[in-house]
Amino acid sequence: SQTIHQWPATLVQPVGSPLSLECTVEGTSNPNLYWYRQAAGRGLQLLFYSVGIGQISSEVPQNLSASRPQDRQFILSSKKLLLSDSGFYLCAWGTGGSEGYTFGSGTRLTVV
Amino acid sequence: AQSVTQPDIHITVSEGASLELRCNYSYGATPYLFWYVQSPGQGLQLLLKYFSGDTLVQGIKGFEAEFKRSQSSFNLRKPSVHWSDAAEYFCAVQGGSYIPTFGRGTSLIVHP
Repeated sequence: SQTIHQWPATLVQPVGSPLSLECTVEGTSNPNLYWYRQAAGRGLQLLFYSVGIGQISSEVPQNLSASRPQDRQFILSSKKLLLSDSGFYLCAWGTGGSEGYTFGSGTRLTVV
Repeated sequence: AQSVTQPDIHITVSEGASLELRCNYSYGATPYLFWYVQSPGQGLQLLLKYFSGDTLVQGIKGFEAEFKRSQSSFNLRKPSVHWSDAAEYFCAVQGGSYIPTFGRGTSLIVHP
């Protein structure tokens, strides 16, 4: 069966520090991968998606970047965090069809 | 373009009462439609999905949803709510691309 792992679960980082969040998928190949950010009461904001290794599409200009170094690995990064980067980050994978999407358990990022 | 609206930010019901959460979408054809549930601090879990066929779909945890093309709606229902159903519920629509659009969510509060 397919599983998705996302870590860390919580993170407290000072302003200006770097960020690296990792997401890996098991049990499938060539998945579509997504990074979402969720702010309280504001639903899910799509940040990045990837349909293949090295292929990254950005939905929102921001202080973040994403990379897909391997087929089932998706990394969210920042060189210098801002206070506004605080939020709940969710990784998800899907095939783009009617099966829907599977989400990781999320990372609560607090920038102080 | 695709969009989805969840008009209710909060819904409060008593335990044992019936539930209906509203979802309206905009898309030129019949899209893929999904309902997800999110417990506090967790990722999203797929409850049910619709892409064709019978307009009444059954999901996990006793939930069902009905697709009504004439009303562009995909409302989620449950005949008897349990206290454990208290969570955030998201409707999502996916049209011709592999990028789903999520609603802003409806927070379900269950009173004993």
